[in-house]
Amino acid sequence: EDKVVQSPLSLVVHEGDTVTLNCSYEVTNFRSLLWYKQEKKAPTFLFMLTSSGIEKKSGRLSSILDKKELFSILNITATQTGDSAVYLCAVASGTYKYIFGTGTRLKVLA
Amino acid sequence: DGGITQSPKYLFRKEGQNVTLSCEQNLNHDAMYWYRQDPGQGLRLIYYSQIVNDFQKGDIAEGYSVSREKKESFPLTVTSAQKNPTAFYLCASSMMAGDYNEQFFGPGTRLTVL
Repeated sequence: EDKVVQSPLSLVVHEGDTVTLNCSYEVTNFRSLLWYKQEKKAPTFLFMLTSSGIEKKSGRLSSILDKKELFSILNITATQTGDSAVYLCAVASGTYKYIFGTGTRLKVLA
Repeated sequence: DGGITQSPKYLFRKEGQNVTLSCEQNLNHDAMYWYRQDPGQGLRLIYYSQIVNDFQKGDIAEGYSVSREKKESFPLTVTSAQKNPTAFYLCASSMMAGDYNEQFFGPGTRLTVL
């Protein structure tokens, strides 16, 4: 059965800290891995990763994929209170399927 | 503005009632999806549709029904057969299903059964 596992489930840090969120997967017919940020409502897209070892960056956020070890990490440096959210990892499989992890709930304290 | 709209934002249902959640997109996306999100859990796929007049069951389709009469619209009906319908429902769309495209999400509908 396809599965995506995220860790930790929740995390509390102080502003300025650096955090690393983990996503491991066992999915048949892997196409891509996606990271989303979910605050109150709709998840918003952060990154899509398709190739191993190529880091994607957007400001203080970065992510990388390891297709041999079947995991990805999302790094956030110099965290701010606005980074508080649930971070979702999803794997696109086959022609239609996106399998989501349970998410990591991040709280950044001022 | 291009995007996905869902209505209503909040919905209350009495036991035994069917309710329909609306999802509309003006992104010209081919594929549309319905997910259910429960507290502390990830998104679980209910139904998806790749083209008009065609849709497929996801992992938890029992007690739900959908239609795709127009490309822009993918309504979800929660029937009385759904045993535990209280949840947050998210609609999503993407370009051709399966290509290297991310999903875009609507703002969600929170359904509560009284």
